[in-house]
Amino acid sequence: SQKIEQNSEALNIQEGKTATLTCNYTNYSPAYLQWYRQDPGRGPVFLLLIRENEKEKRKERLKVTFDTTLKQSLFHITASQPADSATYLCALFGLFRAGSYQLTFGKGTKLSVIP
Amino acid sequence: NAGVTQTPKFRILKIGQSMTLQCAQDMNHNYMYWYRQDPGMGLKLIYYSVGAGITDKGEVPNGYNVSRSTTEDFPLRLELAAPSQTSVYFCASSYPWGSENTEAFFGQGTRLTVV
Repeated sequence: SQKIEQNSEALNIQEGKTATLTCNYTNYSPAYLQWYRQDPGRGPVFLLLIRENEKEKRKERLKVTFDTTLKQSLFHITASQPADSATYLCALFGLFRAGSYQLTFGKGTKLSVIP
Repeated sequence: NAGVTQTPKFRILKIGQSMTLQCAQDMNHNYMYWYRQDPGMGLKLIYYSVGAGITDKGEVPNGYNVSRSTTEDFPLRLELAAPSQTSVYFCASSYPWGSENTEAFFGQGTRLTVV
């Protein structure tokens, strides 16, 4: 069955360092991959999208890579700040079953940036 | 724009009761989704719709029903509430997959407890 795994449930990092979050998937051929941020008690908020034919995308301090051979995406936050503390969700859009394309989410990684 | 609006924000149901979770969006998005999120788990897709009159099952549709009579509204119906349906429910909307912008916009969620 299809599976999306985010490398760890929680990640603690010192302020100013680069945070790297991992998203791995199996039994999937996603057309594109998205990253979202979710704060406690709130709905997810979109951050970045990367398509299957793209290797890297950047937006301000955020960078996403997508390796369809390794079936992996890396999400980087450079010069991390305490305000970056949140849960980050990986989501893949692809064929869920015959004739049905769906947006499927991983469980998320809770990032804590320590001052 | 209000974005995606969900009502109610909180609800307690007794086993066997029924209720409808409301979702409305004002961005003229064709696609709408219902997800549930259990503690420590990712978002699970319940149902989605690609336009008025068209709906399809997601990963966990059992115990739920949906309808889409207008572009703006996508209500989720629980007919016979069970404790297993205790969760936080998120509605989301987006432009069609394959569009330039396919990010999903989420509502604030409905926290449902079945006792």
